[in-house]
Amino acid sequence: DAGVTQSPTHLIKTRGQHVTLRCSPISGHKSVSWYQQVLGQGPQFIFQYYEKEERGRGNFPDRFSARQFPNYSSELNVNALLLGDSALYLCASSLEIFNEQFFGPGTRLTVL
Amino acid sequence: RKEVEQDPGPFNVPEGATVAFNCTYSNSASQSFFWYRQDCRKEPKLLMSVYSSGNEDGRFTAQLNRASQYISLLIRDSKLSDSATYLCVVNRGSGNTPLVFGKGTRLSVIA
Repeated sequence: DAGVTQSPTHLIKTRGQHVTLRCSPISGHKSVSWYQQVLGQGPQFIFQYYEKEERGRGNFPDRFSARQFPNYSSELNVNALLLGDSALYLCASSLEIFNEQFFGPGTRLTVL
Repeated sequence: RKEVEQDPGPFNVPEGATVAFNCTYSNSASQSFFWYRQDCRKEPKLLMSVYSSGNEDGRFTAQLNRASQYISLLIRDSKLSDSATYLCVVNRGSGNTPLVFGKGTRLSVIA
């Protein structure tokens, strides 16, 4: 069975640009969560979606937004990129909200 | 105080050694608990869930003490392939940030 997939794997942007990251959950999983991980830190929660509704939002500015589609895939959008947005962005899916989460390989974003 | 705190590490141990990682959490309403393993520049992978009764999977044993708000992971007979960062994860079960990760503890198993 396919695991969580994310695209693209790497991305280089300049300050002020916007970016869209994509995630496809494991088949049958209804919940998708997004995390930001900077070097030396654990993943920081950004958003959780369940059945296409936002169920949680971490302490990130409004430049970050996300949505979940009817097929449960998800997009994370970041506007007005800052140098500090450079990080590994991880998507995780779970069967339901409180189950174990399974991570995709991540998108490594570099902002120059 | 961070909501999930782990031993800072790094832990450098010889092959065959037994090593234990500790993790404390501050939110007493936390619902579920996990250990994840993360290799360098890779995604976290679920190692095991942690139950109140404790659970074991081969060389790995996890324990939960709700009264002390403490989680542990024991690795017996360490292998070179166990070298990774181990992340303690707590699911609050509610609120805006349901899943909280510790910073991780780095383990290096040396031949």
